[in-house]
Amino acid sequence: EAQVTQNPRYLITVTGKKLTVTCSQNMNHEYMSWYRQDPGLGLRQIYYSMNVEVTDKGDVPEGYKVSRKEKRNFPLILESPSPNQTSLYFCASSSSTTTYEQYFGPGTRLTVT
Amino acid sequence: RKEVEQDPGPFNVPEGATVAFNCTYSNSASQSFFWYRQDCRKEPKLLMSVYSSGNEDGRFTAQLNRASQYISLLIRDSKLSDSATYLCVVRYRGFQKLVFGTGTRLLVSP
Repeated sequence: EAQVTQNPRYLITVTGKKLTVTCSQNMNHEYMSWYRQDPGLGLRQIYYSMNVEVTDKGDVPEGYKVSRKEKRNFPLILESPSPNQTSLYFCASSSSTTTYEQYFGPGTRLTVT
Repeated sequence: RKEVEQDPGPFNVPEGATVAFNCTYSNSASQSFFWYRQDCRKEPKLLMSVYSSGNEDGRFTAQLNRASQYISLLIRDSKLSDSATYLCVVRYRGFQKLVFGTGTRLLVSP
């Protein structure tokens, strides 16, 4: 089954404790992206990657890191989480030729206290 | 001003009703337009693209008005299963980036 998976689905952590949210897709997609979704603000892009070893900042990259060492994986790293990073996070992937049709993972609900 | 603006709703309609949502965009360089659907606490999914000439997919009709910079989504014969949030999405010419609106919530009741 074609899918995007994220782990963990739910995470409660404390300020400053480094964490990683994993994202993996099995569709051989070149393009992958991370979004956060907050009430009243909609989906905002954090980082994206056009292919292996190619990443770029989205609209709200501060406080986040990403890497793309393999085509299927695109982890999101919070080196020192803060309460304002409490949010619902989505990973998405698409073919490079049809980036308008993005396949989203199920989401990770992160709470930073 | 937000790049993509939508009425958050909710739009409460009975089954069988016709309902329409509008979405305005501020950047005239926006090239492509889409509607995504998001069920409560679930991931967004592509509903349909919006073509310049307007397009239909079953009970759903999407239209684009470039002069006034808005797109619309019309749902005919609403079903309970249509209850969801509908996200307006634009893509800029020459960029892969998608810009999402905050969504319009639709509630269809029996």
